[in-house]
Amino acid sequence: DAGVIQSPRHEVTEMGQEVTLRCKPISGHNSLFWYRQTMMRGLELLIYFNNNVPIDDSGMPEDRFSAKMPNASFSTLKIQPSEPRDSAVYFCASSLPQRENEQFFGPGTRLTVL
Amino acid sequence: QKEVEQNSGPLSVPEGAIASLNCTYSDRGSQSFFWYRQYSGKSPELIMSIYSNGDKEDGRFTAQLNKASQYVSLLIRDSQPSDSATYLCAAKRINNFNKFYFGSGTKLNVKP
Repeated sequence: DAGVIQSPRHEVTEMGQEVTLRCKPISGHNSLFWYRQTMMRGLELLIYFNNNVPIDDSGMPEDRFSAKMPNASFSTLKIQPSEPRDSAVYFCASSLPQRENEQFFGPGTRLTVL
Repeated sequence: QKEVEQNSGPLSVPEGAIASLNCTYSDRGSQSFFWYRQYSGKSPELIMSIYSNGDKEDGRFTAQLNKASQYVSLLIRDSQPSDSATYLCAAKRINNFNKFYFGSGTKLNVKP
C-alpha cells in the first residue's frame, strides 16, 4: 500500500510568493492532519480534517495560511504571501476511522523561504 | 509552559544498555500518550501508545505512565545503534477530538 504522499518534497521560494503544498492521504483514511516542524517550536498541529471537513484550525498561525480538502484523496496547504519565518518541514498525516490515535505521516515538504 | 516537555538531549548510551526517555505534561485532562520515533530527515512513526497508569511492554520497548505525577517514560532495552533517533512524546486531551500536543523530542545516540 502506498503511504501518505506529499508534494513537492522540497520547495525554495522567495519572500512574498505563494506556496502550495499537497497531500494525498492513505486510501480509506478519513482524518487528515497538517503539521509544521521547526527546531525552535517542534512539531505543531496546524489543522485537521475529518471526512473532508475542517474540525480544528486553531493551530493555523495567521491568515496567510489556508487549507482545503476538496475530496477524500487530496488536501492542500497554501501560504500567501510566504515569509522567511515560514521555513520549516510541513508534514501531512492521516488516520483510519475509529483509529484516530494512530496517525501515519507523509515524508514531509521542506520549505525554505528566502 | 509547553503542553509537553522533554529534555532535548542528546542522550548517549552504549549498545546493549537500557535507554530511558522521559516526558512531562501540563494538562491533567490529557488521557492518551504516545511515543513517536523520528530518524533524521524522516517523518515520525508511532512506536507506543499508553492510556492507563503503569507499564506497557512491546518487545524491547516499555512505556510507563504516572498520571499523578504527569509523567510518561519510554524504556528501550538492549539498545541498538539502529535505535538512534529523536523520540517525540505526545499527549492528547480528553474530549479534544484528535489534537495531539508533541514535545520537542529527545535525541538518542546508541554507541556501538
